[in-house]
Amino acid sequence: GQQLNQSPQSMFIQEGEDVSMNCTSSSIFNTWLWYKQDPGEGPVLLIALYKAGELTSNGRLTAQFGTTRKDSFLNISASIPSDVGIYFCAGRGYNNNDMRFGAGTRLTVKP
Amino acid sequence: NAGVMQNPRHLVRRRGQEARLRCSPVKGHSHVYWYRQLPEEGLKFMVYLQKENIIDESGMPKERFSAEFPKEGPSILRIQQVVRGDSAAYFCASSRGTGFYKSTDTQYFGPGTRLTVL
Repeated sequence: GQQLNQSPQSMFIQEGEDVSMNCTSSSIFNTWLWYKQDPGEGPVLLIALYKAGELTSNGRLTAQFGTTRKDSFLNISASIPSDVGIYFCAGRGYNNNDMRFGAGTRLTVKP
Repeated sequence: NAGVMQNPRHLVRRRGQEARLRCSPVKGHSHVYWYRQLPEEGLKFMVYLQKENIIDESGMPKERFSAEFPKEGPSILRIQQVVRGDSAAYFCASSRGTGFYKSTDTQYFGPGTRLTVL
């Protein structure tokens, strides 16, 4: 099946710094999504991208759907302590069930 | 404005017992998906259901696991004769369905059921 490579695996940053993480795939996806998961909770959708080249923002978060349709990145600007958590990328093919998740980026923000 | 509901949130079973995990989708959503997450890993697709139909169960083990989404009531993921390796977090997601607009396909997740097999 399609494999997603998400990097970095973990990040330790100072409050106020910007963060960047990305996902790459060997195959094309039709949709890219970014989720955040807090300990003991389910993933919460942050941003959904539906078109190659699309750049979308949600507050301090910005994500882009790569033009090759094989990659996506997520940026967080001016990080704050509540940004701590695990960020997952997910790519979806043409079928609802054809969704693959990256292994996650664990973000720690030091005050 | 209820999201996806899952219960129980935590479930402890002894080897050989049965585990039943329930999922109520967002109101108006007719598509349900089950995923499994092991510690330090991403989510792995198990099964995709619409009301009264299993659409894709390619991610579900052939033995001991089954899922249903009846006309009335929640979706159920059932694990018979649990083994220690079944210990994981099981997440349910729902979407409105497949439509012309891709946004209707977006999956929203529940809080998960954490299964521990002793």
